[in-house]
Amino acid sequence: GENVEQHPSTLSVQEGDSAVIKCTYSDSASNYFPWYKQELGKRPQLIIDIRSNVGEKKDQRIAVTLNKTAKHFSLHITETQPEDSAVYFCAARPLTYYGGSQGNLIFGKGTKLSVKP
Amino acid sequence: DGGITQSPKYLFRKEGQNVTLSCEQNLNHDAMYWYRQDPGQGLRLIYYSQIVNDFQKGDIAEGYSVSREKKESFPLTVTSAQKNPTAFYLCASSPFRGGRSSYEQYFGPGTRLTVT
Repeated sequence: GENVEQHPSTLSVQEGDSAVIKCTYSDSASNYFPWYKQELGKRPQLIIDIRSNVGEKKDQRIAVTLNKTAKHFSLHITETQPEDSAVYFCAARPLTYYGGSQGNLIFGKGTKLSVKP
Repeated sequence: DGGITQSPKYLFRKEGQNVTLSCEQNLNHDAMYWYRQDPGQGLRLIYYSQIVNDFQKGDIAEGYSVSREKKESFPLTVTSAQKNPTAFYLCASSPFRGGRSSYEQYFGPGTRLTVT
């Protein structure tokens, strides 16, 4: 079944620098890859997503890239700001029916990003 | 995401007691999900429902039960059989149906359950 690995588990950058978080997935049939941002004590919120027929997607300072051959996707945040500090989760949506989890999201364990002013 | 509510925000229970967490959505979404979040573990799927009166076990369903009698509501009961119930519980919903609709999941604010 699908397994999502996320690295690094913690990331500290200076304000204005770029941050990159990487995820790998195991199920080549997965077709949807969202990224969620979760601030302390709050709900995860979708910040960007990509489907398997697209290689890259950008939204202002954030971008996601997908390499289907290598089965990995990455979140890129440029010009980081202190308000970017949060835990970021990647996820994959497997197409195949697996263990009763058809069509559901499989999450990585999260990356705690700290942006130092 | 203001269309999904969970109550209460904090819940305290004694060991051995069952407790029910509420999740309501007014987004007209077909699918609803319950996740458990522990530090360093990400989000793990407990149960999900893609249609009224039907639900399926997720990866960590043991010790939990759900019902889906209405489209808007998907309550989760944490039973006394759940060995480590203290956690942050998140409910989500999605317009997902048959693989052609949006896959995006919208999360509720969460309920932090503490069992002593």
